[in-house]
Formats: sequence, structure tokens, C-alpha cells
Amino acid sequence: QVTLRESGPALVKPTQTLTLTCTFSGFSLSTSGMCVSWIRQPPGKALEWLARIDWDDDKYYSTSLKTRLTISKDTSKNQVVLTMTNMDPVDTATYYCARIRNWNDHYMDVWGKGATVTVSS
Amino acid sequence: QSALTQPASVSGSPGQSITISCTGTNSDVGGYKYVSWYQQHPGKAPKVMIYEVSNRPSGVSNRFSGSKSGNTASLTISGLQVEDEADYYCSSYTSSSTLYVFGTGTKVIVL
Repeated sequence: QVTLRESGPALVKPTQTLTLTCTFSGFSLSTSGMCVSWIRQPPGKALEWLARIDWDDDKYYSTSLKTRLTISKDTSKNQVVLTMTNMDPVDTATYYCARIRNWNDHYMDVWGKGATVTVSS
Repeated sequence: QSALTQPASVSGSPGQSITISCTGTNSDVGGYKYVSWYQQHPGKAPKVMIYEVSNRPSGVSNRFSGSKSGNTASLTISGLQVEDEADYYCSSYTSSSTLYVFGTGTKVIVL
């Protein structure tokens, strides 16, 4: 059974750096073709794709947030980490990680339950 | 990269069919077969309902179907049921450095 779980601080202050961890099971990020993406959703608003990391350590970022995002993986721990710098209240959202089973599938087949992050002083 | 355009809401009575549109550009919806649809109930994570325009993952009801014409993709729900009431988002691969774009979301209301 494939599962993903997001973890991180529920509250961050403006200008701080957010670090979120996606811990997964049921698959390995060392498997050829496997990918993990991060997506966020502000309260009452639409989904927004943030980043993707591939089995071969290729990384992709949302153009609008590229300067603030870093995605990395620890294959031995089955974890993917997303950092977002210079947090602002508009970054308040639920952050999801999701699996892409093959780099050429281009859809997220299993999602975590999400981590709610509030940015406030 | 702008979000794909979806109607804010679509409604129907139980048993009816409804269709949700998702309009993009030649750089996303119109240029690739990689359109997917997600269902999201309140407070829950999204769940994939359709991938590659018209394919259903195992376990998804055949009441859900997808299609595409030009720059517009569509999700049709036939035999509408109360449990289908949720938000629906389309997504597409894009040719820009932003790999994926989501739609603005559509609330399906079962009357």
C-alpha cells in the first residue's frame, strides 16, 4: 500500500523559511521513473503545483516560486523535503506531497493528507 | 503560466449527467495528452479520477469519463450521485518550465 505523509510546522512567521518533509512508504524513489511532487492549496482556493523531484535527482520548480523553493530527497529514509524561503501570509495553505509513478505519466496517483501551514506574526 | 479555466460551479439532479470544461492553450491542454482530473471532498486530499485525457484509474467508477477537443478538456459525470458532490480540478502538463498547471476548480452541486 502506497502512503505519503507531510510533516512540518503549523505556524511560521513572515520572512522565515518553511521546511516540510514528505515521508512515504510502499514505493522507492530509487526506482527508475518514480517522482514526488509538492502541491499547495490556500484556504478556499485552487491547487497550485510547486515542485517535482525524480528518481535520478532531476528537479523542477514552479516558475513563479523558483527562487524560493528547494526540493531534495533522502532515498534511504524514504523522504522528500521542500524548503520555501521568505514566507509571507499569502503562503498560508495546505501543502500536499504526491507520487508520480512514472516521469512520463504526468499525473499524481497517490496524495498525502496534507499539512496546514499558517504564516503569521 | 496561468491557471486553466473551469466554471465555478455545475449542478445537476441525481441520475443526470453533467460536464465540466477545462480550457487552456496550445502550450498545455491543446498540446499534450497529459490532462488529468481530481476530485476533492471538503477537508480531504485530491483523488485522481481521470488521467491522460480519458483513462480511469483502477477503482474509479465508469460513470466518470474524460475527453478533449482542441484546447478544452471535459469531465463528464453520468448518473450523478450525492457522493459526487465535491470540487473538481483539471490539470495539464505544460511546455513551460512550470511542469504542471491546475484549473481554477469547479464545485459540483447535487440538487
